Amino acid sequence: GENVEQHPSTLSVQEGDSAVIKCTYSDSASNYFPWYKQELGKRPQLIIDIRSNVGEKKDQRIAVTLNKTAKHFSLHITETQPEDSAVYFCAASEGNTPLVFGKGTRLSVIA
Amino acid sequence: NAGVMQNPRHLVRRRGQEARLRCSPMKGHSHVYWYRQLPEEGLKFMVYLQKENIIDESGMPKERFSAEFPKEGPSILRIQQVVRGDSAAYFCASSSDSRAGELFFGEGSRLTVL
Repeated sequence: GENVEQHPSTLSVQEGDSAVIKCTYSDSASNYFPWYKQELGKRPQLIIDIRSNVGEKKDQRIAVTLNKTAKHFSLHITETQPEDSAVYFCAASEGNTPLVFGKGTRLSVIA
Repeated sequence: NAGVMQNPRHLVRRRGQEARLRCSPMKGHSHVYWYRQLPEEGLKFMVYLQKENIIDESGMPKERFSAEFPKEGPSILRIQQVVRGDSAAYFCASSSDSRAGELFFGEGSRLTVL
């Protein structure tokens, strides 16, 4: 089955700097790669996703890149703000199978 | 359009009791997924259901755990004879037929076993 590795597990950045979180996956059949943000005590919320027919997708300050050959994808957050502090999870699936999640990255944005 | 609704939000049980967690998917969604999250850990897949059918239960323990999604009413995750190790947040998510796999999560049910 699919296995998703995520790193780093924790990340601290100064407000205004960029943050990058990386994930690798094992199943070459996976074609859907979402990212979720989870604040303390809250539900995971989908913030951006990418499908295997594109290499990059951007939405304001967040972007995701996908390298299918290397089987890795990354989340980029620019101009970080304190409200970006949360745990971020990457995930992968074949699109019609359950998502397999990484273990999460705790991002702290220091004002 | 109401999101995924889960109840109860918090549940306390003593060892050996039963826990029942309910999930109503978003309107128009027919796919339901249950995930378990331990403190400071990721989301572990448990079971995937469509109306009246279990599609994938590969992540669910074989004993004490069961799930259903009846034709009418919410999906239910049932844990019998709870043990302390069952203490966790249980999240339900739903997706539509047209975008299966794009999951929207509920607020979770936090189970504490004393």
